[in-house]
Amino acid sequence: DAGVTQSPTHLIKTRGQQVTLRCSPKSGHDTVSWYQQALGQGPQFIFQYYEEEERQRGNFPDRFSGHQFPNYSSELNVNALLLGDSALYLCASSLQGGPDTQYFGPGTRLTVL
Amino acid sequence: AQSVSQHNHHVILSEAASLELGCNYSYGGTVNLFWYVQYPGQHLQLLLKYFSGDPLVKGIKGFEAEFIKSKFSFNLRKPSVQWSDTAEYFCAVLSGSARQLTFGSGTQLTVLP
Repeated sequence: DAGVTQSPTHLIKTRGQQVTLRCSPKSGHDTVSWYQQALGQGPQFIFQYYEEEERQRGNFPDRFSGHQFPNYSSELNVNALLLGDSALYLCASSLQGGPDTQYFGPGTRLTVL
Repeated sequence: AQSVSQHNHHVILSEAASLELGCNYSYGGTVNLFWYVQYPGQHLQLLLKYFSGDPLVKGIKGFEAEFIKSKFSFNLRKPSVQWSDTAEYFCAVLSGSARQLTFGSGTQLTVLP
């Protein structure tokens, strides 16, 4: 039973560039949530996708956008990167309508120079 | 908005010592509560969760947590820690109609052999 997978593992970008991160949910899950974890902090909720729509959004600017595909996988896009966007980006999957237990992937470490 | 407080940022214990990590949340309604653990170099893993029923919940690896509604607390305990418990521990809350997890800032546990 495959867990949540994310790619790439690490990414280095420069300020102003754009980045796309990818996530495949755990088998049987239909909902994907994205979190940003800065060094020494707990994860912060970015947004959640279900049925290919953004269902809920945290306190992040419009530079952060996402997409969910019919196979439930998801992408996180960040435009006009800032130094402060350097963080570990976590994807979590869950099953809508079931117990709200979210299972996390290994994350993508983004460094913005 | 709900918030989660973990008062201990870094805890250092010797093997076989007892552990209690504090977690308090600010939300007066129905909550689902979680403890996640992040071992060095690994992704966030679910340790235990509380949805309803018995306020004393047992998780993996001998951990347990007690939900005390009157104190808005969900403290994590283990009677006897092992060196392999060295990790960062996060308390998280899912409240009301929100579909997002709100995390505390984490507690780094170091167990000395």
